[in-house]
Amino acid sequence: DAGVTQSPTHLIKTRGQQVTLRCSPKSGHDTVSWYQQALGQGPQFIFQYYEEEERQRGNFPDRFSGHQFPNYSSELNVNALLLGDSALYLCASSSGLAGGLDEQFFGPGTRLTVL
Amino acid sequence: KNQVEQSPQSLIILEGKNCTLQCNYTVSPFSNLRWYKQDTGRGPVSLTIMTFSENTKSNGRYTATLDADTKQSSLHITASQLSDSASYICVVSGADGTSGTYKYIFGTGTRLKVLA
Repeated sequence: DAGVTQSPTHLIKTRGQQVTLRCSPKSGHDTVSWYQQALGQGPQFIFQYYEEEERQRGNFPDRFSGHQFPNYSSELNVNALLLGDSALYLCASSSGLAGGLDEQFFGPGTRLTVL
Repeated sequence: KNQVEQSPQSLIILEGKNCTLQCNYTVSPFSNLRWYKQDTGRGPVSLTIMTFSENTKSNGRYTATLDADTKQSSLHITASQLSDSASYICVVSGADGTSGTYKYIFGTGTRLKVLA
């Protein structure tokens, strides 16, 4: 089991550009969550996908959008990049166990730098 | 407002020493509390998870405690090793009343440096 994988590992973009980050969940997991982690800060929840639909969303603008595919993999899209979007983007997968006890397994992250 | 606060912000200790990290939360309703270890530039890795009814959980040299009454948790690291140098993040999960799902509130972490 490869665990949660993310691609690319690093990315450099310029302001105004668009970016797509990808995530493959751990085998057997159907729920994918995305987080933004600025340097020296804790992860901030962006949104969560389950059954190809956005189930929950954090306090992020509409420039942040996502998608989940039938094989449970997911993409995070960010439009009109700002300097402040520079961060480590983490993907976490879980199995959706009842009671919120499902453990989230995190990928290694994608380091996005906006110049 | 749902919040998770951790202290200290950073900590430096000598190899072999013990240390304790603190987590205070105001998340309600409460489901469970997790401690993660995050190496620089990597994704967090789960150390422990505790529900409302559990007040202690161990994972090797890591022992987490939970006081649901005071809404406080601690992570105790015994006989620290150089490899313990990392950020330790407290995450509290609670039910989202409107959607029926669960939200995860992350603390900002404690950066631990273990010196030889």
